[in-house]
Amino acid sequence: ETGVTQTPRHLVMGMTNKKSLKCEQHLGHNAMYWYKQSAKKPLELMFVYSLEERVENNSVPSRFSPECPNSSHLFLHLHTLQPEDSALYLCASSQDYALSYNEQFFGPGTRLTVL
Amino acid sequence: ELKVEQNPLFLSMQEGKNYTIYCNYSTTSDRLYWYRQDPGKSLESLFVLLSNGAVKQEGRLMASLDTKARLSTLHITAAVHDLSATYFCAVDIDNAGNMLTFGGGTRLMVKP
Repeated sequence: ETGVTQTPRHLVMGMTNKKSLKCEQHLGHNAMYWYKQSAKKPLELMFVYSLEERVENNSVPSRFSPECPNSSHLFLHLHTLQPEDSALYLCASSQDYALSYNEQFFGPGTRLTVL
Repeated sequence: ELKVEQNPLFLSMQEGKNYTIYCNYSTTSDRLYWYRQDPGKSLESLFVLLSNGAVKQEGRLMASLDTKARLSTLHITAAVHDLSATYFCAVDIDNAGNMLTFGGGTRLMVKP
């Protein structure tokens, strides 16, 4: 595997379900990101992790719970979601949050549908 | 609140034609990124513009940045069908590449 991978690629869940999205980067990067891409809104940054520590949380509802067990893996735990949470969830990584210049590399995304 | 506006939102053009996509933003930033997204695919980095006056070209695409006008352009020269995709600009809020605010995207369709 190369680059940034995400699983599953597609997920359908009910509002009472609990599921998790997984992201893995094979680039040796130290920073990882979750984004939400809705049909009618620009891409929104949700969470930023640097060396497994959360550094940004952009007012995301608590029904989204991120976890970064190591610098290569990032999870997004989902519970009691709403239909409006249906979107494409993109993961990205970059070399080092503390650098003066970072380019983000994106995974293919998980298409989430909440029924 | 930072706003990043792209226009047009949708662009249908014939092969061989030229066109420009505009990205306006509402706050001070010296850095801007352009990405391409094919349907069902991830975002692919096209250009990284790191200073005022920066101009970068790759094939039929050329991007420029005017930080004083808070404007970036993505110019398409002699479009080909393979350029059909959605193009996003993203403004770098922290000037370190960690905090990106994206525009709404421009969906480009190039017709043979």
